[in-house]
Amino acid sequence: AQSVAQPEDQVNVAEGNPLTVKCTYSVSGNPYLFWYVQYPNRGLQFLLKYITGDNLVKGSYGFEAEFNKSQTSFHLKKPSALVSDSALYFCAVQSNSGYALNFGKGTSLLVTP
Amino acid sequence: IAGITQAPTSQILAAGRRMTLRCTQDMRHNAMYWYRQDLGLGLRLIHYSNTAGTTGKGEVPDGYSVSRANTDDFPLTLASAVPSQTSVYFCASSDSAGGPQYFGPGTRLTVL
Repeated sequence: AQSVAQPEDQVNVAEGNPLTVKCTYSVSGNPYLFWYVQYPNRGLQFLLKYITGDNLVKGSYGFEAEFNKSQTSFHLKKPSALVSDSALYFCAVQSNSGYALNFGKGTSLLVTP
Repeated sequence: IAGITQAPTSQILAAGRRMTLRCTQDMRHNAMYWYRQDLGLGLRLIHYSNTAGTTGKGEVPDGYSVSRANTDDFPLTLASAVPSQTSVYFCASSDSAGGPQYFGPGTRLTVL
């Protein structure tokens, strides 16, 4: 089964510092990988995706993610964190059930001033 | 305004009652999904539909049913609600494999 794991429940970073939110995947075949963000009391918003091509994927709000096949990872990164980046972040992989996604459990990002 | 709407926003329901959560999209997406979000468990797929007229079971389908009579609507029905179905329910849609999913604002359901 296609699955992702987010090893950190929470990540704390100071504003202006780089941030990384980790994700590893387990798939058969080529993975379709996604990152979503959820602000309090809101639905999920799409940030970026990896289908094929360049291993460094750029997305919304200055976020990027690096696909690493040898380490089966797809970590989310941002060079300089903002307080407004504080939210819940989900990694996901396309499942074998049509187009549906299998989500990780989420990582809460807290950026402090 | 393009997007996905869900109704109701929140609901408190007595156990044993029947409830239908509504979901409508105006993006003409082929595929639609229902997820439930529970603390510490992330989002889990309940049911999906790749195109109008077809549906499929996700990871946690028991106690739920769906229908897809047309492209825009994808209602989720709890035939006889139980307290373990207390959750936040999200509807989503996408236009193709590999395409991003767009999420509705969610329905917060409490079953007592």
